[in-house]
Amino acid sequence: GAGVSQTPSNKVTEKGKYVELRCDPISGHTALYWYRQSLGQGPEFLIYFQGTGAADDSGLPNDRFFAVRPEGSVSTLKIQRTERGDSAVYLCASSRRTSDFNEQFFGPGTRLTVL
Amino acid sequence: AQTVTQSQPEMSVQEAETVTLSCTYDTSESDYYLFWYKQPPSRQMILVIRQEAYKQQNATENRFSVNFQKAAKSFSLKISDSQLGDAAMYFCARGQGGSEKLVFGKGTKLTVNP
Repeated sequence: GAGVSQTPSNKVTEKGKYVELRCDPISGHTALYWYRQSLGQGPEFLIYFQGTGAADDSGLPNDRFFAVRPEGSVSTLKIQRTERGDSAVYLCASSRRTSDFNEQFFGPGTRLTVL
Repeated sequence: AQTVTQSQPEMSVQEAETVTLSCTYDTSESDYYLFWYKQPPSRQMILVIRQEAYKQQNATENRFSVNFQKAAKSFSLKISDSQLGDAAMYFCARGQGGSEKLVFGKGTKLTVNP
């Protein structure tokens, strides 16, 4: 497909479990972003990749959260020892880095529910 | 923290009429960008319109236009000739040149009444 895809669409897990959320960016987009959207809120920035490296991970809430992008395309957001407060929609976006303006194209998100 | 504020949690408009959604923001930078995103129930964020802070002219995209007041740090969205398909959550966001993250407001839920 032409857009950003995310899998799974929905994930239900139990408190304390480990989860992985996957993002497939638009082909050719070098920049990839993860956001978290809690109920009734706007998306909050988590991490930004330029190529394979994390250029800004200042939004990761704690060391239970980790993200990788080993080949500069697909990215995985990993959450260890999940807590009920981690329940949210996790959005991924990608952009073709231009000189200044970064129009971000979003995927449909993964809804994570921690029971 | 540099924030984006949307003071209207919900708005409603009659089909074919005009509605304005408000947004104010805080930044200490002179180089930045402003965006309005639409999020329907499908969850996918769709870019509606963008504005570069260095441009004085207000951006327009078909039925969507903005009123950008840089000194007041205000960035409102006007939707003309509202359609049923415009019903969604609308988020105002700020990005900065050289910084890749977007900072979003809490959103405004727009209802379009037939």
